[in-house]
Amino acid sequence: GAGVSQSPRYKVAKRGQDVALRCDPISGHVSLFWYQQALGQGPEFLTYFQNEAQLDKSGLPSDRFFAERPEGSVSTLKIQRTQQEDSAVYLCASSLPRRDEQYFGPGTRLTVT
Amino acid sequence: QKEVEQDPGPLSVPEGAIVSLNCTYSNSAFQYFMWYRQYSRKGPELLMYTYSSGNKEDGRFTAQVDKSSKYISLFIRDSQPSDSATYLCAMTKTGGFKTIFGAGTRLFVKA
Repeated sequence: GAGVSQSPRYKVAKRGQDVALRCDPISGHVSLFWYQQALGQGPEFLTYFQNEAQLDKSGLPSDRFFAERPEGSVSTLKIQRTQQEDSAVYLCASSLPRRDEQYFGPGTRLTVT
Repeated sequence: QKEVEQDPGPLSVPEGAIVSLNCTYSNSAFQYFMWYRQYSRKGPELLMYTYSSGNKEDGRFTAQVDKSSKYISLFIRDSQPSDSATYLCAMTKTGGFKTIFGAGTRLFVKA
């Protein structure tokens, strides 16, 4: 069946631009996670949704980062006024209520120039 | 000090070798322990999941958790070139949503 999809796969932004990254979770998965993965590092938790409710946003690095999931399915991660340190792969994962089994998308590689 | 420590490698072994991958952690509240495999330019995929202490086996893979030592391991038997990837340990606390990952160990299995 269809897995988690993310778009775009690659994004190049000039410093100061706003970007929006999209995640389509597996159908029926109520839990959705966003992670940031820097080169050579493991994924770092950004935020968690259960359906449309954002239950944990403690990992968002600054108020320039904003995530939403208005109808409890598709989610968007928005980064305002991008900085070079935002360059990373942004991963989305979804799961059934058992949060331990997370299914990851391929990620969006963001490069800020 | 990071909550989860993992040697980044790289680790290079010949085909057929037994591979041992390890992580240590500092927070005794972690109860759920996972191992993910990540190929280049792909998202991580779950290999093994263990709750609390003990061993779990699945085919060529064995996961071990020693909570008294705050140490987890993944063993790969009869390693294959297709096992060449980055292996990430991950863990969560009971009732928590935040999954903490190690930095990943790069494994190369030579034919």
